[in-house]
Amino acid sequence: QQQVKQSPQSLIVQKGGISIINCAYENTAFDYFPWYQQFPGKGPALLIAIRPDVSEKKEGRFTISFNKSAKQFSLHIMDSQPGDSATYFCAARGRPGNMLTFGGGTRLMVKP
Amino acid sequence: DAEITQSPRHKITETGRQVTLACHQTWNHNNMFWYRQDLGHGLRLIHYSYGVQDTNKGEVSDGYSVSRSNTEDLPLTLESAASSQTSVYFCASSDGTGNTGELFFGEGSRLTVL
Repeated sequence: QQQVKQSPQSLIVQKGGISIINCAYENTAFDYFPWYQQFPGKGPALLIAIRPDVSEKKEGRFTISFNKSAKQFSLHIMDSQPGDSATYFCAARGRPGNMLTFGGGTRLMVKP
Repeated sequence: DAEITQSPRHKITETGRQVTLACHQTWNHNNMFWYRQDLGHGLRLIHYSYGVQDTNKGEVSDGYSVSRSNTEDLPLTLESAASSQTSVYFCASSDGTGNTGELFFGEGSRLTVL
């Protein structure tokens, strides 16, 4: 049973465009929602994260939008660049411990 | 610099053989995790440990085992490898006392079971 659903599975965006990746979760006990970025041949690395008490968090060109009532959150990449081409995973943390449940991943390709 | 390393990075084995994937971290983190990554399934948790002598089953633990004899290492063992276990395996660690929940991942071990 997948507790975090991510879409789309793949995404192609032109350089300078906006990339949008969506996630939905079921467990209302999740208390922390990070996004991880993975380049080919590498392990995932934390990109940006949000807690459910805020609706938006921005770091540079990356923004998380969070809708607690709808149990949805999304990643927006503004002015997408070829260097952003990677696989992106949303995740949600449950207690106890820092155990994350990951979405299925989105493979982003930004065309020059 | 602190890091997390996995070995081997690539492994080909035959059905029925025992395989052990090593994971070593130098952050002194209490929490360690093993995930497998498969297309369309994202990262699925196999086993995890909150400290020495502690191990717990994750979402897809059947056919896998782990042991935690010290803080730095969490080896993953496939008792009798099956073709369904062909995957990329990632080890990760985190500071159990931290508030961010950030996981630090290794670079992965690609396992092929023929």
